[in-house]
Amino acid sequence: DIQMTQSPSSLSASVGDRVTITCRASQSIYIYLNWYQQKPGKAPEVLIYAASSLQGGVPSRFSGSGSGTVFTLTISGLQPEDLGTYYCQQSYSAPVTFGQGTKVEIK
Amino acid sequence: QVKLVQSGGELKKPGASMEVSCRASGYTFGSHGIAWLRQAPGQGLEWMGWINADNGDTNYAQKLQGRITMTTDTSTKTVYMDLKNLTSDDTAVYYCARVDGDGADFIYDYWGQGTLVTVSS
Repeated sequence: DIQMTQSPSSLSASVGDRVTITCRASQSIYIYLNWYQQKPGKAPEVLIYAASSLQGGVPSRFSGSGSGTVFTLTISGLQPEDLGTYYCQQSYSAPVTFGQGTKVEIK
Repeated sequence: QVKLVQSGGELKKPGASMEVSCRASGYTFGSHGIAWLRQAPGQGLEWMGWINADNGDTNYAQKLQGRITMTTDTSTKTVYMDLKNLTSDDTAVYYCARVDGDGADFIYDYWGQGTLVTVSS
């Protein structure tokens, strides 16, 4: 199975800050990497697909980059509604695997 | 609009079986697969498997092989996930999610509301 490792596990940032979350795959997954946001008590929602494509309806302050084994999710200008846990997910090979999550808190 | 509506939460005893349903609406049911994922309390997301909603082909997580069964009912646009021989490790919120895309290029673009299953004696 492909292991996905996110860092940091949690972070606290102020409104307006630029936030970066990193996801590393145990082997190359090319660009088959998606990012999800999960707000407390809710199902996850997809933010970014294929490493850098913004899902429809997602604010443009969210962006993704990377390929191969290292990927980043950036929030440019953190907003209060961005609190939650962020997960990366690889779709390159079965079984689908997720990172352990990065919990984002607002200072 | 696309909706996935799951059955309600359940309390199960160890050794029992569970079934969660996922009723789809707002799109052509057979055109998208359905994945099942779960999330233990305070933990991350775990992929359990996938079913082709049209023909019933399945792919299950290795660790659940032998205990899990996914089925589809195209007449009611409902997918079912059965898990038997439950232990406390199966306590989790269970989600169904629609698969959009194919091959390695896919996402889970719509999710059910989640079903909490608690396994306790």
